[in-house]
Amino acid sequence: DQQVKQNSPSLSVQEGRISILNCDYTNSMFDYFLWYKKYPAEGPTFLISISSIKDKNEDGRFTVFLNKSAKHLSLHIVPSQPGDSAVYFCAAIERLTSYGKLTFGQGTILTVHP
Amino acid sequence: DTGVSQDPRHKITKRGQNVTFRCDPISEHNRLYWYRQTLGQGPEFLTYFQNEAQLEKSRLLSDRFSAERPKGSFSTLEIQRTEQGDSAMYLCASSLSYNQAGNTIYFGEGSWLTVV
Repeated sequence: DQQVKQNSPSLSVQEGRISILNCDYTNSMFDYFLWYKKYPAEGPTFLISISSIKDKNEDGRFTVFLNKSAKHLSLHIVPSQPGDSAVYFCAAIERLTSYGKLTFGQGTILTVHP
Repeated sequence: DTGVSQDPRHKITKRGQNVTFRCDPISEHNRLYWYRQTLGQGPEFLTYFQNEAQLEKSRLLSDRFSAERPKGSFSTLEIQRTEQGDSAMYLCASSLSYNQAGNTIYFGEGSWLTVV
């Protein structure tokens, strides 16, 4: 049972445009969400997070939006840069019962063309 | 470098052999996690420690897998009698206790295991 889903395996965007990466979840007990970026042969690097009490969090070029009623979150990257090309994972955590367990989506490969 | 450190980065072993991976977390972090990632999938949770106590284990962690964190600092993950299905990247991560505002789980660069 895939509790966190990233339904787009890949996304291709032109440099300078907006990249929108989407993530859906099924477990209504998830109360904290994170986005990670991963280059090949490296571990995931934390990008940005959001608590379920918020609907938006912004950090520089990265903004995460959370729609709890739809159980959907998205990561916006504006403007996109070629160095943003990587695999992006969304992850969720249910802090009340399992502080240590991140549940990841399958990842979306983002390619930003110069 | 004050990030999460993993060793070795790559390991090729024959089926049936035992392997051990080491993780050194960020120094002030009291929580340490092990995850496994296979190609085309997101990382999957294996286990985590609060200081030296192992608080949760996934069903993925069969009896051939054992993790320790004896002094609440570094951790080891041992796989006994390796199988080809164990081939994956093993990721270690660390964090402060998660109920503190603003903390995040930080990952190491991973240890690649290939079982031949």
